Amino acid sequence: QSALTQPPSASGSPGQSVTISCTGTSSDVGKYNSVSWYQQHPGKAPKLMIYEVSKRPSGVPDRFSGSKSGNTASLIVSGLQADDEADYYCSSYAGSNNYVFGTGTKVTVL
Amino acid sequence: EVQLVESGGGLVQPGGSLRLSCVASGFPFSIYWMHWVRQAPGKGLVWVSHIKGDGSDTTYADSVKGRFTISRDNAKNTLYLQMNSLRAEDTAVYYCARDGVGDSDFDSWGQGTLVTVSS
Repeated sequence: QSALTQPPSASGSPGQSVTISCTGTSSDVGKYNSVSWYQQHPGKAPKLMIYEVSKRPSGVPDRFSGSKSGNTASLIVSGLQADDEADYYCSSYAGSNNYVFGTGTKVTVL
Repeated sequence: EVQLVESGGGLVQPGGSLRLSCVASGFPFSIYWMHWVRQAPGKGLVWVSHIKGDGSDTTYADSVKGRFTISRDNAKNTLYLQMNSLRAEDTAVYYCARDGVGDSDFDSWGQGTLVTVSS
C-alpha cells in the first residue's frame, strides 16, 4: 500500500488560509469517505483534527475544515495562527482492514 | 480523560525481540478497536496493526506480517505489540491509538515509545 501524496510544505501569514491536498487512488481516498487529518507538533503525538472527510471532533476550532473530490482530499486551515505551525497528515481506509497515511505536510506560519 | 501510556521501547540488536505495552484509562477499553502506528525518525506515520475489542480479529501491515503480533488483556486495560525478527527499518516511535467514533480514524494517541534496532 503506497502512502497518500501530500505536498512537503505549505505556508501562509497569520490570518490567511492554507490548503493541504492529499491524493490517493480509487482504492482508498476515492472509494471511502474515511479520510481523516492529524496535526503533529514537534516531539508530540498526532492529534485528530478531521474525520470522515469533513467532521470535526469536539474541541477542534471551526477554522479547520475538510473536503474531498475524487481521489483527492483537502484540509483547509483558515485564519492561520502561530500554533497552527505543525506537520499535518491525512489518512484513509484502504480496504481489507488496512489504513494508509499521507506523506505529511509541514505548515509554516510566516 | 482518555489516557494511553506506552512503554517497552529501547535498543535491540537486529534479529532481536521486544514487547511494547500500552496501558489505557478513562474509557471502556474492552469495546474499542486499538491500533499501533509507527513513525521512523524524521519520517511520516505508518499504520502497523489493529485488534478488535474482544481480541478476536487482528490485521497487520505487510511490512510486519509474520514478525509482529498484536494482543490485548482487557482485564488489565493493556494493549501489546510483540515484535520479533527486528530489522533496522523497524526503528521508529511506536504509538498506540484508539479507534475513533468515526469510520477509520484514530481519536486518541499515546505519547509513543522509541524502538531502535541497531548493532
